[in-house]
Amino acid sequence: EVQLLESGGGLVQTGGSLRLSCAASGFTFSSCAMDWVRQAPGKGLEWVSAISGSGHSTHYADSVKGRFTISRDNSKNTLYLQVNSLRADDTAVYYCAKEGAVSYYMDVWGKGTTVTVSS
Amino acid sequence: SYVLTQPPSVSVAPGKTARITCGGNNIGSESVHWYRQKPGQAPVLVISYDSDRPSGIPERFSGSNSGNTATLTISRVEAGDEADYYCQVWDTSSDHRVFGGGTKLTVL
Repeated sequence: EVQLLESGGGLVQTGGSLRLSCAASGFTFSSCAMDWVRQAPGKGLEWVSAISGSGHSTHYADSVKGRFTISRDNSKNTLYLQVNSLRADDTAVYYCAKEGAVSYYMDVWGKGTTVTVSS
Repeated sequence: SYVLTQPPSVSVAPGKTARITCGGNNIGSESVHWYRQKPGQAPVLVISYDSDRPSGIPERFSGSNSGNTATLTISRVEAGDEADYYCQVWDTSSDHRVFGGGTKLTVL
């Protein structure tokens, strides 16, 4: 069974940092692009970042570019999101998602980890 | 960047057909994917590549895409279909994944 399990969320002050992790199992991790998608309280889904299976190609939403860094360790089947210079509007549930075989859509999602940024 | 427009809400009686639209500039030339999200849960893929249903998704769910509008159709709507639905495309010009604003489906 394909599973994604996020961790690393928490309460952090404005300007602070966190490292989110997503442990993957049940599929060939290195073969799949992965994404981070977030959802602010009461709001819709917002795509944050994507990384290719090899890790050589990364993409970011304009709202997080320069502050967030996506990475992966294929030997550990784990996806990461380093979030720096956090702002109040970064408060959200952060989901990791596996992309489909031909990529560009998310066929499996984790349950999410919550990041709360407080002043 | 590419913008996807969804109606904020759609209401339908049980047993009837719900249609949720997703508008975008020449969206018919893009591949559209749809997700269902129930309260307190993670999103679930219900349609990929305009009209493909993943395993486990009922045949009542179908999709179409033409011109400037993609449509998710749910036939014989049940109370359990009540959820938020999101469309998504890949913006080839920026390599960004883009979501619509979401539509809340209410079963009357």
